[in-house]
Amino acid sequence: GAVVSQHPSWVICKSGTSVKIECRSLDFQATTMFWYRQFPKQSLMLMATSNEGSKATYEQGVEKDKFLINHASLTLSTLTVTSAHPEDSSFYICSARSLAVSRAPDTQYFGPGTRLTVL
Amino acid sequence: AQKITQTQPGMFVQEKEAVTLDCTYDTSDPSYGLFWYKQPSSGEMIFLIYQGSYDQQNATEGRYSLNFQKARKSANLVISASQLGDSAMYFCAMRDPAGAGSYQLTFGKGTKLSVIP
Repeated sequence: GAVVSQHPSWVICKSGTSVKIECRSLDFQATTMFWYRQFPKQSLMLMATSNEGSKATYEQGVEKDKFLINHASLTLSTLTVTSAHPEDSSFYICSARSLAVSRAPDTQYFGPGTRLTVL
Repeated sequence: AQKITQTQPGMFVQEKEAVTLDCTYDTSDPSYGLFWYKQPSSGEMIFLIYQGSYDQQNATEGRYSLNFQKARKSANLVISASQLGDSAMYFCAMRDPAGAGSYQLTFGKGTKLSVIP
């Protein structure tokens, strides 16, 4: 249980194009999803918190107009990198918070990540 | 502000031996949660173990156990009987306290574990 998928797993695009990344919780409902960015050999950096049916909350320094987040349902959140540039190249990973009360409440379950390369 | 410190950038362990990965945290909130995640080279973050601040016993999950010392604010991960597949980055994380609304995680910088055959 608690499986999160992410699509695509990798993408290469030209500078100036937009890229959409999907994050789905496959076997549970998630009111909250999180988007992270990870540079090589570094830890995860939280970009935004996404709540179903409401606007995402962005971390300081993250451009909301560049990284558009939509959380349309309890199982789907999307991150769109608009007008991508080479400096946007990174590993993007999402997570979903389980609503279920369990032995590990509020655990975040992560997707497999998307490696974005902007040429 | 919450803070997680992992002081070991890299660790080596012989196969079948036990290893301890250190994690200290800093928070003034009485209610918090501590997590360990494993990130293999493939990139996915795998949830390993959770410890709540009010839990009386140390958490265990198979070969993973958490040495929780609340007074010292440490939550070290112990992996017993290391396997080659345990080679990965390991991240300690702390959840914002209940009631804060965001349930965000604060991550440490990670420890790269290498298991030697």
